[in-house]
Formats: sequence, structure tokens, C-alpha cells
Amino acid sequence: EMQLVESGGGLVQPGGSLRLSCAASGFTFSDNYMYWFRQAPGKGLEWVGRCKTKAEGYSAEYAASVKGRFTISRDDSKNSLVLQMNSLKTEDTAIYYCVRDNWGMDVWGQGTSVTVSS
Amino acid sequence: EIVLTQSPGTLSLSPGERATLSCRASQSVHGNYVAWFQQKPGQAPRLLISGASTRATGIPDRFSGSGSGTDFTFTITRLEPEDFTVYYCQQNGNLPITFGQGTRLEIK
Repeated sequence: EMQLVESGGGLVQPGGSLRLSCAASGFTFSDNYMYWFRQAPGKGLEWVGRCKTKAEGYSAEYAASVKGRFTISRDDSKNSLVLQMNSLKTEDTAIYYCVRDNWGMDVWGQGTSVTVSS
Repeated sequence: EIVLTQSPGTLSLSPGERATLSCRASQSVHGNYVAWFQQKPGQAPRLLISGASTRATGIPDRFSGSGSGTDFTFTITRLEPEDFTVYYCQQNGNLPITFGQGTRLEIK
């Protein structure tokens, strides 16, 4: 069974940092672009960023709202995706989802909740 | 940035009826890379349609998608009770990837 499991969410103060992890299983992780999306409470879905494959240099791209503050990385040997979030703002409060792209964003994790509040 | 506008915001129908949801893009979507997702309360989104019209694995054939350019349509024929929830369109042909604001399908 293909599965993504996020971890690392929690409560952090504005200006703080948090590191989210995503553990993949049941598919060849290294073959796929991997994404982070988020959903603020009661709101719609927002793209955060993506990490390409080794063949494309593991390059990452980001939404304007997080560029310069968030960094996505991956470790194919551990089937792991990481979202490092720095300089957090209250508007970063959301559930964060790790997602596989396989000609469609077909596998989503259950999400991990991040709350930025003083 | 491509803005996606979904209509209607809320659709009230009865089980067994047909639902038609619209997603209009502010500019042409590259490759017609439009997807449709279903999201139930407390759950992650579930991919139903990708590439405007290709059903994802395991998705029943009562779900279908069509369209090109800037206008896309998602249809559910013969609504089942479990279909009454929120649906989002997404374009992933251009960065940034964007979503519509969602259509809530409610029981009439």
C-alpha cells in the first residue's frame, strides 16, 4: 500500500522554526516529484512547494508566500521528504500535506498540523 | 498566477441526480493539466481526475471530467450519499499551482 506519513507539526511562536518530515512507503519514492500543500483552518488548499527528482538535480520551487523562508529537501535513500520552515508567521498556521505526483497528485499523507501563535 | 473560479459555490441536489461543476481559469492552462479533488471533513483531498479527463485509479466511472483551455467541467452522474462533500479543481500546468475555492455539494 502506498503511504505518506507526515510528522513534526506543533505549536511555535511567530519568528520560530519547525521541521516537518514525510516518510514514504509502498512505491519507488525516487521516481516522483514530491510536493507540500497546506490548508489553513476552514480554508482552501494552497501549494507550498515541490522537490524534483535526482535527474533534475533535486531542484525545488516555492510559492511566493514562503519563498526565502521554507526549504524542501529529500533523501531518496531514506524515502524521506523534509520541509524546513523558518521565520514562521501566524498566516502559516495550517495542516501541511506531503503529496506524490505521479501524472496526478494521487497519494496524500494524513497531514500534520502547524500552529503559529504567541 | 492562474486564478481558478469554481461555480457554483454550493450545489444542492438529491441522491440519484446529476451534478455538474465548473472551473474557469483566468488564462489557458498549459497542457490542460487540470485535476479535480474530493475532500471530506477531517480528511486529506482525494484525487478523482487528472489531465482534465483521466480518472484516477479506483475512481468509479460516475465521475468524469472534460474541458480545455480555460473552461473545465466535472460531472457526477447518479449521486450517491457519500458524494456530498467539497470538490476542488486544481491547475498544475503552470507554477504556481493553484486551486479553485471549492464547490460544496449538499443534499437537497
